[in-house]
Amino acid sequence: QSALTQPASVSGSPGQSITISCTGTSSDVGGYNLVSWYQHHPGKAPKLMIYESSKRPSGVSDRFSGSKSGNTASLTISGLQAEDEADYHCCSYTGSSTFYVFGTGTKVTVL
Amino acid sequence: QVQLQESGPGLVKPSETLSLTCTVSGGSVRSYYWNWIRQPPGKGLEWIGYIYNSESTNYNPSLKSRVTISLDMSKNQFSLYLNSVTDADTAVYYCASGGSSFWQRFDPWGQGTLVTVSS
Repeated sequence: QSALTQPASVSGSPGQSITISCTGTSSDVGGYNLVSWYQHHPGKAPKLMIYESSKRPSGVSDRFSGSKSGNTASLTISGLQAEDEADYHCCSYTGSSTFYVFGTGTKVTVL
Repeated sequence: QVQLQESGPGLVKPSETLSLTCTVSGGSVRSYYWNWIRQPPGKGLEWIGYIYNSESTNYNPSLKSRVTISLDMSKNQFSLYLNSVTDADTAVYYCASGGSSFWQRFDPWGQGTLVTVSS
């Protein structure tokens, strides 16, 4: 099972919107509505931001939204803030013996 | 609020066994999925495996021959054992709750612990 493909880096200015893509196959992202997204500030515990492709846990800012089309899932951060600067990882259920596969990770920089 | 904390040696010799424990506070380990996930330096996250109620485990096929996850309900802890380690096993290791549903989402996570494999 190969890692899901994410851009290595995405940047934006404060207040702007950015979108991070997460591309897999019909065996993972495309086959299930079970993509989750994690925000990770170095040295801290990763934090769940989106689950089941588009659902937001309580306490997560509504500036974060998720969507999926075909084999690609996306995380959009609107109204970019300095505190959003972090690494972001997607993850998908695979339905195979691997169960869960993560993306390659994206570093978000706020200019 | 559930919190997780990893503990264990930060240095393991090649060919030996890596052993880590995750202590769960603020909730019971019963009837939840508990996972181990790792991140090698400069690379992405890799799911290692999960345990549920001591009766069900599943492991990443790439590690299955070397990994065991166990659960100690009396101590509210679960553990990771990875044998025959090599340099490629050097990583930050995280424990994470998968929730109570088979369709897991990892929340919360521990802060992670760096394990270096070196002689």
